[in-house]
Amino acid sequence: GAVVSQHPSRVICKSGTSVKIECRSLDFQATTMFWYRQFPKQSLMLMATSNEGSKATYEQGVEKDKFLINHASLTLSTLTVTSAHPEDSSFYICSAREISGGAQFFGPGTRLTVL
Amino acid sequence: AQSVTQLDSQVPVFEEAPVELRCNYSSSVSVYLFWYVQYPNQGLQLLLKYLSGSTLVKGINGFEAEFNKSQTSFHLRKPSVHISDTAEYFCAAFSSNTGKLIFGQGTTLQVKP
Repeated sequence: GAVVSQHPSRVICKSGTSVKIECRSLDFQATTMFWYRQFPKQSLMLMATSNEGSKATYEQGVEKDKFLINHASLTLSTLTVTSAHPEDSSFYICSAREISGGAQFFGPGTRLTVL
Repeated sequence: AQSVTQLDSQVPVFEEAPVELRCNYSSSVSVYLFWYVQYPNQGLQLLLKYLSGSTLVKGINGFEAEFNKSQTSFHLRKPSVHISDTAEYFCAAFSSNTGKLIFGQGTTLQVKP
């Protein structure tokens, strides 16, 4: 299947700093990428949908000024957690859908810990 | 409302035994259906998908699923499980209205020796 990478896989930062997470589709082009957040023992919670070349669409309750999303190319989307606080600690997973539609492929996730 | 329901939160099973993980979807979602597996501290890996055609779908790692339109189900099966199959399994449906995947709550498969 198609490969989606995420970097970094794990990050620890101090409260008040910003953290950028990269998501890349390695062997396919993705007009649409998705960012999810997963709490322990729970399913994935969609945060936002990112379309190449346009503004991201955020789910209800997700602060767009806190979670900045950029989808500059057909293979790269970034999520920046601005002024991170301990409650932002979580597992963040990105996903990309092929231009042709069909399946959605997921990255390996990024574990964010805010001290 | 559009929804995906996984009927079992945990399924314990002995190694080499067969297993079925149940998934039902609401008829208001499209019939693009998926099963994903998540190992600890990892992302989701696509096991199999149903988009159209044959109702019996074969995936990776010996898993298969059957799309049943009349029962709005898409149960996942494996005839003989291994310890390495221990993981979280998510059923998902694509919503053509929203363009998003709708996930079930997940089922923890625990394979015991």
